[in-house]
Amino acid sequence: SQQGEEDPQALSIQEGENATMNCSYKTSINNLQWYRQNSGRGLVHLILIRSNEREKHSGRLRVTLDTSKKSSSLLITASRAADTASYFCATDVGNYGQNFVFGPGTRLSVLP
Amino acid sequence: DSGVTQTPKHLITATGQRVTLRCSPRSGDLSVYWYQQSLDQGLQFLIQYYNGEERAKGNILERFSAQQFPDLHSELNLSSLELGDSALYFCASSVGTSGRTRNNEQFFGPGTRLTVL
Repeated sequence: SQQGEEDPQALSIQEGENATMNCSYKTSINNLQWYRQNSGRGLVHLILIRSNEREKHSGRLRVTLDTSKKSSSLLITASRAADTASYFCATDVGNYGQNFVFGPGTRLSVLP
Repeated sequence: DSGVTQTPKHLITATGQRVTLRCSPRSGDLSVYWYQQSLDQGLQFLIQYYNGEERAKGNILERFSAQQFPDLHSELNLSSLELGDSALYFCASSVGTSGRTRNNEQFFGPGTRLTVL
């Protein structure tokens, strides 16, 4: 099974609503990152949260990390149609290098 | 535009063949990562290089190999190709200074779509 698993697998909301995606992982991590991918294109880094941080904000994004529960959440506020994409969490579990494990992603559809 | 370039964009080949995918990292980035994204396996980390040396290894098959050259560009070689190797292959780069490559944002290239017929 995956180290990182996003939930839900798919989410459909109206423009202006908030979208919340969750990520659970299994082993200890150095950091957790969220990425966005538009269909068939490269991933775009959204935000990184270190294992000693609990919450981080970037624009309309808010990420939380609960290392005791091995989970993270990504909140997108006031969603826009342009936020339609797949969102992945990636955990860095490397001892020396960066060994990234990506979850299967949440497919977000924001309807106008 | 992330600053990471990958060539070719598309590649169609036959089973049993060998192909080479190329990646140029962002200017100044010392680390290069390779990923495979397929419908059934999702996004899989293959391998990381830092300043020419292998740094971390993921789910990379023995038929696959990679290297990073002195000018920091990287190549991923896929040999004895099978139908199941059809996927998007992404390269990413990050800064990584003084050997520390953790907590670094990765910048992804646009990917190479490989189709094995």
